[in-house]
Amino acid sequence: QKEVEQDPGPLSVPEGAIVSLNCTYSNSAFQYFMWYRQYSRKGPELLMYTYSSGNKEDGRFTAQVDKSSKYISLFIRDSQPSDSATYLCAMTGSARQLTFGSGTQLTVLP
Amino acid sequence: EAGVTQFPSHSVIEKGQTVTLRCDPISGHDNLYWYRRVMGKEIKFLLHFVKESKQDESGMPNNRFLAERTGGTYSTLKVQPAELEDSGVYFCASSLGLRTDTQYFGPGTRLTVL
Repeated sequence: QKEVEQDPGPLSVPEGAIVSLNCTYSNSAFQYFMWYRQYSRKGPELLMYTYSSGNKEDGRFTAQVDKSSKYISLFIRDSQPSDSATYLCAMTGSARQLTFGSGTQLTVLP
Repeated sequence: EAGVTQFPSHSVIEKGQTVTLRCDPISGHDNLYWYRRVMGKEIKFLLHFVKESKQDESGMPNNRFLAERTGGTYSTLKVQPAELEDSGVYFCASSLGLRTDTQYFGPGTRLTVL
């Protein structure tokens, strides 16, 4: 069983839609939770970083963590075609190494 | 400020050959990580340097892989001899090393072993 499960999609939405991306995890040692965005042929780029249960908002992006359910989410409001990318959840504990989900491919249609 | 750079961007080699990948971290970042993504799988950790020392190499798949970070600056990852299953994208990341710090990723090296 994978430590981090993420629906690979692909997910296709119209411009302006609210997008919900999710990951579940099994390792209770994970303390820090991240969402990365990866464009084709590029490296992952950090979008959001959280380390406590609850919501964190940054512009159109909201990261949500529920440690009791071992579940994290990323919401994108007013989605734009430029948001089309692969979104990766990642997490880590006391060790520095990141454990990634498999990524969800998102396409926002104009 | 320059980001993490990796060279080459793409390498095609034959099974049994040797390939060396290079990573230049962001200046001042003591922590350097190697990850790789093989086809259809998630990005997986390979190893972690703090300055020139290997902090954690638990993700290295076998002894055909050798990583070095001479002088605590750039790092190389050598695969010798390469096998078909080594094909994938190799990412390097660097960070300052704070408790809640960010790992900045390079664009990756796409390795194809024929």
